[in-house]
Order: sequence, then structure tokens, then C-alpha cells
Amino acid sequence: DSGVTQTPKHLITATGQRVTLRCSPRSGDLSVYWYQQSLDQGLQFLIQYYNGEERAKGNILERFSAQQFPDLHSELNLSSLELGDSALYFCASTGKDGGATGELFFGEGSRLTVL
Amino acid sequence: AQSVSQHNHHVILSEAASLELGCNYSYGGTVNLFWYVQYPGQHLQLLLKYFSGDPLVKGIKGFEAEFIKSKFSFNLRKPSVQWSDTAEYFCAVNAHSGNTPLVFGKGTRLSVIA
Repeated sequence: DSGVTQTPKHLITATGQRVTLRCSPRSGDLSVYWYQQSLDQGLQFLIQYYNGEERAKGNILERFSAQQFPDLHSELNLSSLELGDSALYFCASTGKDGGATGELFFGEGSRLTVL
Repeated sequence: AQSVSQHNHHVILSEAASLELGCNYSYGGTVNLFWYVQYPGQHLQLLLKYFSGDPLVKGIKGFEAEFIKSKFSFNLRKPSVQWSDTAEYFCAVNAHSGNTPLVFGKGTRLSVIA
């Protein structure tokens, strides 16, 4: 158990819908990262938050947004869903140094299926 | 921008065979290097990491990796694989200085057969 909690574990929805994925980082970790894992693209970095502020942005679509709340949990919002958004979405957190060492602790992921 | 190439998509080995998974990265500066493993149905876990010092890094479960700076490589090795090593292996890199996200390779699936 990495200490990072993600909900829901599985989600099935229809095209055009909107979903919210939730992540609770390890206790004390200030930095949260979101990654998308698909068969053809591998693990793609989406976005990073550090202590409530956006720190880095990767290949995140405009239809996707995220935030980190004062209690440090984070939510990833995916809207106007398309079939191609079906993937495993991972959240990861890292220590108080803000990730300078780079080691990430991953949650078990949320598997999104868009039909 | 950083990038990571893992040349083998799927490797199939018999138990007790030796393993070497290739990883090459592209980045102009000093880097940190990582290997993560994802067992079936589980989250990614850190196998080993390199920040500085001895380029031969030993990790958990008998894995090791060697950083060869001149080749921009960080290959993962294990002398004798077990059935329980069946998993997906990801190489990752980030900039040594600063707080930058890990960039992952596309992964190599390892299947170990009895």
C-alpha cells in the first residue's frame, strides 16, 4: 500500500458526460501529480499541484481540469468525454521536498471506460 | 524536452533466464533516473533510482541498473528471473535540479514462463 488513495477504482460512462476522479495523497505529501495511462501512449503526465497551486502542466486536454484543495486532496475533472479518453488515470504524490528527488508514490488508479 | 525510449515492448523469458531491459533517455542536462514496476492489477512501485555517484544501482528483488552517461542509457538487469517478476516495467527520467515531473517510457511487458 503506497498510502495514496484514489476513487473510484472503476468508472463506466457515456460519451459527452463529465466525471470527477479523486485522489488523497500520502499523509504529509504536498505535491500531487496526475498521469494518464493508455495502451498506445503509455504513461502521460497531465498536471502537477503543489500545496494547492498548479506547478506544472503536461499533455492535459482543455476538456480536463484539476485542482488541489486545502486538505491537499486533488480532483481531476474530465468533461465532454470521448471514446479516446478511456484509460487508467493515476495519481501520485511526493514528499515535502516538492518532488525534487523525483520519487513518486502512486495510487492504484481509476479505470475510466467511455462507451 | 525530456523523452524516454524503451525498445522492447514485450519480453518473454523462461524462469532462471537473465534479463536486460533497455532504456535510453534524451535530455541535455543532468538527470535522475528511475525504474518502476507495475505488477498485474497493482499500482506502480519504485524498483530503483539513480541520482548520483556509483552508476551501478541495486534495487529491490535482485534488480540492478547501470547508468552509462555516454550512451544516455539506464538498462535494467536481473541475473535470474522468477515467475513472480511477470509485470510491466517503466523507465523514467526527470531533471536533476528543480522540481520537474517524471517522464516515463512506454513500458516493457515481461512475461516469465515456467
